Amino acid sequence: DVKVTQSSRYLVKRTGEKVFLECVQDMDHENMFWYRQDPGLGLRLIYFSYDVKMKEKGDIPEGYSVSREKKERFSLILESASTNQTSMYLCASSLRRAETQYFGPGTRLLVL
Amino acid sequence: QQQVKQSPQSLIVQKGGISIINCAYENTAFDYFPWYQQFPGKGPALLIAIRPDVSEKKEGRFTISFNKSAKQFSLHIMDSQPGDSATYFCAALFVGNKLVFGAGTILRVKS
Repeated sequence: DVKVTQSSRYLVKRTGEKVFLECVQDMDHENMFWYRQDPGLGLRLIYFSYDVKMKEKGDIPEGYSVSREKKERFSLILESASTNQTSMYLCASSLRRAETQYFGPGTRLLVL
Repeated sequence: QQQVKQSPQSLIVQKGGISIINCAYENTAFDYFPWYQQFPGKGPALLIAIRPDVSEKKEGRFTISFNKSAKQFSLHIMDSQPGDSATYFCAALFVGNKLVFGAGTILRVKS
């Protein structure tokens, strides 16, 4: 059974803080994704990675960066958190062809 | 245009009724159309999916209808149950590795 875990379920940070969200998958998937989920906007792709040390911008990359040093781990970094980054963040992984993405439980981030 | 438009935003259905959620797309490069189901506190999970060479796919009480010429597809939940209450997202796969999601539909099935 595929498992995608995220380091925190809830996180509260101050404006300007650097924030790290970690994601780990245990199925040797090539692709990993970071989305943010907001009511009425669905899931929007922030960044994805198709291999170690490879990354591609999604639809809303501004204010975010990512790191993939190992195949199983994909980190999302908010360099300087802002209140408009308050959201639910979802990590997902998939095989090379991303027909089925497996999601983690999400991290609800509140930036004060 | 890499958008998928989903409606309605929310839906209330009586137990035993039929729930219908609609999606439309513009980009003909999409080649796979999944639906994801999300329960509160959980990440989305794949529910059912269809390829554009098929007009309908049924799995239990869940059916996808696909109209390639109209660039529309829909999810039908027959005999809706309170346990089906969740948020549903349609999606479309672009160039093999990028899913574009609709805005989501919050379904509530009243018992």
